Amino acid sequence: DTGVSQNPRHKITKRGQNVTFRCDPISEHNRLYWYRQTLGQGPEFLTYFQNEAQLEKSRLLSDRFSAERPKGSFSTLEIQRTEQGDSAMYLCASSPAGGAGGDTQYFGPGTRLTVL
Amino acid sequence: QKEVEQDPGPLSVPEGAIVSLNCTYSNSAFQYFMWYRQYSRKGPELLMYTYSSGNKEDGRFTAQVDKSSKYISLFIRDSQPSDSATYLCAMSGGVIEAGSARQLTFGSGTQLTVLP
Repeated sequence: DTGVSQNPRHKITKRGQNVTFRCDPISEHNRLYWYRQTLGQGPEFLTYFQNEAQLEKSRLLSDRFSAERPKGSFSTLEIQRTEQGDSAMYLCASSPAGGAGGDTQYFGPGTRLTVL
Repeated sequence: QKEVEQDPGPLSVPEGAIVSLNCTYSNSAFQYFMWYRQYSRKGPELLMYTYSSGNKEDGRFTAQVDKSSKYISLFIRDSQPSDSATYLCAMSGGVIEAGSARQLTFGSGTQLTVLP
């Protein structure tokens, strides 16, 4: 078990460009989350997948953001027409299957996005 | 007002000191409480996970939850320079249908420095 991995680790782009990030969760974890973290703040929830189904999206996830998890394995997060306000650390977390109740989420190292 | 409040610090202590980190929250639906450690430019690492009120100990770390006061704490005994990091409290709701997101609501983090 190598943990949650994210690529790229850093991305610098110009305003208006599209960017895509990838997350590989811990194998056999069927739940996958995306969070965004800005400097001096805790992570904020963006969206949630159970297997391949995207079940919840935060109001923070504007129309320029889209996430997918084909085949219920890795996930991608795309930001179209990036804005300077999108500069942040994008974190992916995964957790194992379970019933109603809490779960333990394990985070990846994050992708740091800088929009110039 | 944020749902979860956490003193951002910075907090500086000498090696060997007992460290106390705290969070308060306003949402009485929170039932699951976690503490994460985050080193600079890394993803959060899960330290402690507790359900409802009570204490949980793991090595040098003790987590306390007081739901009546909506107050949680993390104590670090015999602090080490390697404990220098940002500590994030996080929490999630209680009765949730299977398949629903269990997104975490984070505090803003407390930056801790343990001086050798």
